Amino acid sequence: QSALTQPASVSGSPGQSITISCTGTSSDVGGYNYVSWYQQHPGKAPKLMIYEVSNRPSGVSNRFSGSKSGNTASLTISGLQAEDEADYYCSSYTSSSTLAGWVFGGGTKLTVL
Amino acid sequence: QVQLVQSGAEVKKPGASVKVSCKASGYTFTGYYMHWVRQAPGQGLEWMGRINPNSGGTNYAQKFQGRVTMTRDTSISTAYMELSRLRSDDTAVYYCARESSSSLGYWGQGTLVTVSS
Repeated sequence: QSALTQPASVSGSPGQSITISCTGTSSDVGGYNYVSWYQQHPGKAPKLMIYEVSNRPSGVSNRFSGSKSGNTASLTISGLQAEDEADYYCSSYTSSSTLAGWVFGGGTKLTVL
Repeated sequence: QVQLVQSGAEVKKPGASVKVSCKASGYTFTGYYMHWVRQAPGQGLEWMGRINPNSGGTNYAQKFQGRVTMTRDTSISTAYMELSRLRSDDTAVYYCARESSSSLGYWGQGTLVTVSS
């Protein structure tokens, strides 16, 4: 179960939009609509931001949106705010001939300039 | 409200085992899979496996097969993760997290496990 590929860092100014990509394979991202995104501030537990590719849990700002094309999923944050500065992780269900489970991306550090 | 409360920090010697607990409240414990995820210092999230609290059935990540055991006690709504033959690179914060809609919507506060001689 190899990790999904995310950019190590992205940045943007307040009010701008940014997109974080998450690339996998047909055995994970491309094969299932079970992609989720998590936000993690330093020293805190992760927080679910997007589930099943594009759904927002109750209480998550509509500035956060998710999508998927082929083997790549994306998280877009619009109207960047200082509080959005955090690490973001994608995750997907994965299945092979031998094992099934979940896999995370390596994480992306978002800096709000 | 859903709460997952984990046991406290542990310090272990290489080769030892550690058992972390995760007490659930605010929902029907047997109704949702419980996952375990770890995060080494300065590193990303790593999925370890999950348990079905209703049946006790487990799925483990290939990396941890043979070294991890996930169990539960439904009478006290608590899930457990035991990792054996600890090495220094097992030093990490270990999280339990409840699954719903194939994602992890509720997380414990994390348990720091330090492996050091």
